[in-house]
Amino acid sequence: QKEVEQDPGPLSVPEGAIVSLNCTYSNSAFQYFMWYRQYSRKGPELLMYTYSSGNKEDGRFTAQVDKSSKYISLFIRDSQPSDSATYLCAMSEVSQGGSEKLVFGKGMKLTVNP
Amino acid sequence: SQTIHQWPATLVQPVGSPLSLECTVEGTSNPNLYWYRQAAGRGLQLLFYSVGIGQISSEVPQNLSASRPQDRQFILSSKKLLLSDSGFYLCAWTNSRVYLAKNIQYFGAGTRLSVL
Repeated sequence: QKEVEQDPGPLSVPEGAIVSLNCTYSNSAFQYFMWYRQYSRKGPELLMYTYSSGNKEDGRFTAQVDKSSKYISLFIRDSQPSDSATYLCAMSEVSQGGSEKLVFGKGMKLTVNP
Repeated sequence: SQTIHQWPATLVQPVGSPLSLECTVEGTSNPNLYWYRQAAGRGLQLLFYSVGIGQISSEVPQNLSASRPQDRQFILSSKKLLLSDSGFYLCAWTNSRVYLAKNIQYFGAGTRLSVL
């Protein structure tokens, strides 16, 4: 079983739809959870960052962590064509020293059609 | 503010030729630095990371090597490229001195390498 599983899609939705992106993980020691957005031929950019469990909202984006189910989600409300990108989940443990390494999902390609 | 620079953006190299990709970070000191390769359908593969000058950890045995000659400079190299080295190479950094922020990685724009 891979440490992080993410459905690679692709996912195509109409403009204005609510989008739900999900990842599951197996390592119960993960404490940091991130979502990155990557436009075509660009580097990933940090979208949302959550420490431990709970919800975090930023504009149209909501990140949700359910540690009991080892499941994280990213919700996009009122999706826009500019949201078309690949979304990668990432997570890591609390490290006592050395380099903190992230474990990434494979990424879900999202297309929002006008 | 901090910025990360990566170059070149695109590179086409023949098999057997050498490679040198450079990454520099501005606006911070003593960052942790990372090299990733991203292949279609395979996600991000961590290749090397560095916690300081001259300190390199390799994650995957391969045809590549990395060096950190200066605090904010990270170089990815190969003596002889293989076809399988083609891919999208990404450099990233983290702030090593802020405890809860150490896990947030910031990426460069990437280098698309085609080995022919």
